[in-house]
Amino acid sequence: ETGVTQSPTHLIKTRGQQVTLRCSSQSGHNTVSWYQQALGQGPQFIFQYYREEENGRGNFPPRFSGLQFPNYSSELNVNALELDDSALYLCASSFPDRDTEAFFGQGTRLTVV
Amino acid sequence: GNSVTQMEGPVTLSEEAFLTINCTYTATGYPSLFWYVQYPGEGLQLLLKATKADDKGSNKGFEATYRKETTSFHLEKGSVQVSDSAVYFCALSRISSGSARQLTFGSGTQLTVLP
Repeated sequence: ETGVTQSPTHLIKTRGQQVTLRCSSQSGHNTVSWYQQALGQGPQFIFQYYREEENGRGNFPPRFSGLQFPNYSSELNVNALELDDSALYLCASSFPDRDTEAFFGQGTRLTVV
Repeated sequence: GNSVTQMEGPVTLSEEAFLTINCTYTATGYPSLFWYVQYPGEGLQLLLKATKADDKGSNKGFEATYRKETTSFHLEKGSVQVSDSAVYFCALSRISSGSARQLTFGSGTQLTVLP
């Protein structure tokens, strides 16, 4: 059973650019969630995908978008990067059940300069 | 809305000391409650969970009891080890917009255990 893997691990982008982060979910998990963790803060929910559809979104602007593929892997896209987008981006996979553990990847550290 | 407030850190203890990290929550209904741990350079790992009032979650010597009357889920360990040094996050799980079950996290508590 493979865990959640994210790529790349680190990334530096310039303000105004676009970025794509990738996540492979744990084997058998059909739900993927993305979180943003600013330095010294707890993770904040961006959105969740279930069976290739977005089924929930946190308080993030539309320039944060995503995709989920038939193999349940996922992408997070951020357009028009701002300095405040610098953070650790975490992907978590799970089954869409109340008591099911969410398994987190190691994250992608994005720095916007 | 939903929110989680946890004890501010950093917390520094000597090995074998008793640990308490306080966590209180605000939520409608009956959320599930979790403690996650984040070691340096790693993602979050589930430490323990409780899904209903009076449930006690436990793992690796850590315990937390779901207290509905005080809306709390304090983390305790009787004897900490150097290897417990990490950041600890309290979180709750609720249905968000749409049908997504999202985690709402506290701001984290940095624990350092000295030998």
